[in-house]
Amino acid sequence: KQEVTQIPAALSVPEGENLVLNCSFTDSAIYNLQWFRQDPGKGLTSLLLIQSSQREQTSGRLNASLDKSSGRSTLYIAASQPGDSATYLCAVRPGSDDKIIFGKGTRLHILP
Amino acid sequence: GAVVSQHPSWVICKSGTSVKIECRSLDFQATTMFWYRQFPKQSLMLMATSNEGSKATYEQGVEKDKFLINHASLTLSTLTVTSAHPEDSSFYICSASGDRTNQPQHFGDGTRLSIL
Repeated sequence: KQEVTQIPAALSVPEGENLVLNCSFTDSAIYNLQWFRQDPGKGLTSLLLIQSSQREQTSGRLNASLDKSSGRSTLYIAASQPGDSATYLCAVRPGSDDKIIFGKGTRLHILP
Repeated sequence: GAVVSQHPSWVICKSGTSVKIECRSLDFQATTMFWYRQFPKQSLMLMATSNEGSKATYEQGVEKDKFLINHASLTLSTLTVTSAHPEDSSFYICSASGDRTNQPQHFGDGTRLSIL
């Protein structure tokens, strides 16, 4: 059974710092991995989608990497800003069907 | 980009009322839609998967008679919480994906349901 773990559960960093959020999954057979952002009381915004054949994706200040063999993904945020404060969710789509499995998220707080 | 619209965003009603939540894909055809439930500071819990024109597939422990799902067209799915009670109060989120395996899921903004 696929399980997705995100560490840390919460993180506070000063504005301007670069930071890394971690995601690990137990079964390396995946179709893709997706990083989402969720603001309080809101739905999810897709940030980056990495296909199983890819190693990384970049969008602006965000870079996500995927190492299937070790069951790990990282989300790198460069030059953090207060507006980056949110919960970041990692989600894995298993190889067998459409259902995606979420981690519990990392609550990020960027200190002005 | 793809947009999923969810309505209403917030509803408060009395115990025993049935509440319908709509999920629409605005600029793409959603062959599959998903309904999630989220408790405060928890991650999303998948409730059911619906495919256009067929019955929804419910996750273990989710009452299909309590949470009625209809996916009558490629752009609309509805979730009806029947005879809602305070324990049904939660944040409900839908998502939709197109017809290609590696398409991302796009999420609505969620519906906060409060049952008095």
